[in-house]
Amino acid sequence: KAGVTQTPRYLIKTRGQQVTLSCSPISGHRSVSWYQQTPGQGLQFLFEYFSETQRNKGNFPGRFSGRQFSNSRSEMNVSTLELGDSALYLCACGDDPAYNEQFFGPGTRLTVL
Amino acid sequence: AQTVTQSQPEMSVQEAETVTLSCTYDTSESDYYLFWYKQPPSRQMILVIRQEAYKQQNATENRFSVNFQKAAKSFSLKISDSQLGDAAMYFCAYRRGSGGSNYKLTFGKGTLLTVNP
Repeated sequence: KAGVTQTPRYLIKTRGQQVTLSCSPISGHRSVSWYQQTPGQGLQFLFEYFSETQRNKGNFPGRFSGRQFSNSRSEMNVSTLELGDSALYLCACGDDPAYNEQFFGPGTRLTVL
Repeated sequence: AQTVTQSQPEMSVQEAETVTLSCTYDTSESDYYLFWYKQPPSRQMILVIRQEAYKQQNATENRFSVNFQKAAKSFSLKISDSQLGDAAMYFCAYRRGSGGSNYKLTFGKGTLLTVNP
């Protein structure tokens, strides 16, 4: 079974730009969650999608958004990038409805200059 | 709100020895899960072990075991016969139980484990 894939793995953007990150879950897994990891704040929950619906949202500004497609692939978008958005963005998937384990992807390293 | 605290930013252990990583959490819920995740330099987050709060028996996975003290809200990870490949950042995480709809993971700040040959 293929694992969780995230693209791109590395990304460099400048302030004010926008970025889209992609996450493809394990086949059959319908839930996708996104986390931001920074040295200062640690791992923070961004949002969770299940069957194309956002089920939960963390405490992030509206510049952070996401969506999920019918094949369970998910994208997250960050608009008007700020230096503080530099982070490792991890996605995790579960087979739901109340999965006991989340499988993480390798992450996308975003650097904002 | 739930919080997870890892009081040891760094730990080191000699190869083949045993090390224990500490974690405490705070919650008012009775149904929840606790996890230990390992994040090696590759940054891939890997599940090490999982504990359901309703289970009194401590979880064990090969060389990894936990000491789950529900009343004290403590969840420590013991690594026996440490190997060089165990070197990584270890995160303790909390997730509410299956009765609700919010399955986000709340993570501690992590403990960086170094294994000395």
